[in-house]
Amino acid sequence: EAGVAQSPRYKIIEKRQSVAFWCNPISGHATLYWYQQILGQGPKLLIQFQNNGVVDDSQLPKDRFSAERLKGVDSTLKIQPAKLEDSAVYLCASSVGHSSEKLFFGSGTQLSVL
Amino acid sequence: GESVGLHLPTLSVQEGDNSIINCAYSNSASDYFIWYKQESGKGPQFIIDIRSNMDKRQGQRVTVLLNKTVKHLSLQIAATQPGDSAVYFCAEGVSGTYKYIFGTGTRLKVLA
Repeated sequence: EAGVAQSPRYKIIEKRQSVAFWCNPISGHATLYWYQQILGQGPKLLIQFQNNGVVDDSQLPKDRFSAERLKGVDSTLKIQPAKLEDSAVYLCASSVGHSSEKLFFGSGTQLSVL
Repeated sequence: GESVGLHLPTLSVQEGDNSIINCAYSNSASDYFIWYKQESGKGPQFIIDIRSNMDKRQGQRVTVLLNKTVKHLSLQIAATQPGDSAVYFCAEGVSGTYKYIFGTGTRLKVLA
């Protein structure tokens, strides 16, 4: 079974630039998550989708972050404009949702904002 | 190179010894708990979970203990191996919400 795919693997940008991350969850997984993991900390939930609808985006900085999951499969997370404090690993995870609570994570995108 | 865990609490154990990693959770309403292992440059990987109607659950070489009275969770790894070296996170959630809060993590170093 293929895992959660994320790209790019690494990204370096300057502050005030924009950046986008892509995630392809495990086939059939209804729930998709974006987490931010700052160095030395645990992952922090940014947004949770159930199919193509947003379940929770309470911790998403909506003035600069946006995310979408068109057609309930792939998802993109965008930051515009980026700030220095956005430097982190952005993890995508998916789960079956309604019958299992186990999350499967991708390897993440490591973002450095200079 | 390292992508996580540079400033995390560290537990160093000798290869073959047992490891115990502790976690305090915050939400009294949480009734589902998970342990994840994260190796450098990778996403967290599921190890074992436990629901609040249990005090203990065993897997292969791992055991999770839950003490709801003091909101404490522990992960025991038997006969620790070099491949167990990683950062370990506990996560808490409420069943049915599919939303989880992760702890800060503990780095496990296995000494040969």
